Amino acid sequence: DSGVTQTPKHLITATGQRVTLRCSPRSGDLSVYWYQQSLDQGLQFLIQYYNGEERAKGNILERFSAQQFPDLHSELNLSSLELGDSALYFCASSLRTGITETQYFGPGTRLLVL
Amino acid sequence: GQQLNQSPQSMFIQEGEDVSMNCTSSSIFNTWLWYKQDPGEGPVLLIALYKAGELTSNGRLTAQFGITRKDSFLNISASIPSDVGIYFCAGVNYGQNFVFGPGTRLSVLP
Repeated sequence: DSGVTQTPKHLITATGQRVTLRCSPRSGDLSVYWYQQSLDQGLQFLIQYYNGEERAKGNILERFSAQQFPDLHSELNLSSLELGDSALYFCASSLRTGITETQYFGPGTRLLVL
Repeated sequence: GQQLNQSPQSMFIQEGEDVSMNCTSSSIFNTWLWYKQDPGEGPVLLIALYKAGELTSNGRLTAQFGITRKDSFLNISASIPSDVGIYFCAGVNYGQNFVFGPGTRLSVLP
């Protein structure tokens, strides 16, 4: 158990819909990262927040957005969902920001878009 | 965009054998990371490398940061059944954009 929690564990929705994925980092961690893992694209870094502010951006679509709240939990919002958005979405956290920081991954949210 | 290649894509080995896998890129990275992912779980960091030429061990695992900064290698010695899983490399640059390889799927036969 990494100490990172993600809800929901599974999510099934339809194309065109909007969903929100939630992540609670390990106690004391200030940085949260979001990743998408799909069969065809592999594991892709989406976005990072540190202490409430966006810190780094990866391959995140414009239809996707995220935020980190004052209590440090984070939400990833996916809108106008397409079939290709079906994937496993991971959240990871680290104590601080920086490439030397160890990231701890949550168990993931499996999203299925029908 | 930046891409990483991992080889082999998959491998079947006998328990007790040593394993070697590598990760290559056309781009330079400042940090190389190796993760293992078990089915239904998130990736777990195995080894982090921060300097070109660096060789780091973690138990039976040894990884090296290539001197060109475009590659990295992971070796597992005396494999055991719980080594089964997918091994991902990741390159990180100072922009903190993490790029992951497609993974090497390892199967260990008893």
